[in-house]
Amino acid sequence: GAVVSQHPSWVICKSGTSVKIECRSLDFQATTMFWYRQFPKQSLMLMATSNEGSKATYEQGVEKDKFLINHASLTLSTLTVTSAHPEDSSFYICSASTSGGFQIYEQYFGPGTRLTVT
Amino acid sequence: DAKTTQPPSMDCAEGRAANLPCNHSTISGNEYVYWYRQIHSQGPQYIIHGLKNNETNEMASLIITEDRKSSTLILPHATLRDTAVYYCIVRPNAGGTSYGKLTFGQGTILTVHP
Repeated sequence: GAVVSQHPSWVICKSGTSVKIECRSLDFQATTMFWYRQFPKQSLMLMATSNEGSKATYEQGVEKDKFLINHASLTLSTLTVTSAHPEDSSFYICSASTSGGFQIYEQYFGPGTRLTVT
Repeated sequence: DAKTTQPPSMDCAEGRAANLPCNHSTISGNEYVYWYRQIHSQGPQYIIHGLKNNETNEMASLIITEDRKSSTLILPHATLRDTAVYYCIVRPNAGGTSYGKLTFGQGTILTVHP
């Protein structure tokens, strides 16, 4: 149980184009999804938190107009990197969690998406 | 959120117990200790979490000191597949603007060798 998938697993795109990454919870309903970014030999950095049906909350320093997040259903969230540049090349990882009342339960992570912008 | 301190790297022989320490001296009463691990080029994997009692599951044991200022993750019989970066994270469980978030530090690179 608690499986999270991401698609695609890797993508190469040209500078200036946009790329969409999907995150799906396969066997549970995810009221909250998180998007992280990880540069080589660094730790994961939280980019944004999204709750189903509402706007995402972005961490300080993350451009919300560049990294568009949509969480339209309880099983799907998408991250679109708009006008990608080589410095956006990174490993993008999503996680999904259920919540109930004041509790947020364990986060389950997807396998990650390797983005390379040329 | 409380910060954590972990050794940057550790080695362990296959079949032996791996004991990974974590300091979290500023932990507050509503914060849990979580452990995740990340195998190279994969997403993190949840291992275990606890509040103040020791916890055990099929993957590992978590020992939290009585003052809650430190903890130890124990992998009882390490295998080569346990080679990964292990993250100790303190997370508030309810309330506040940061609840639910996981703040990853640099973690401990555990290398299990034959």
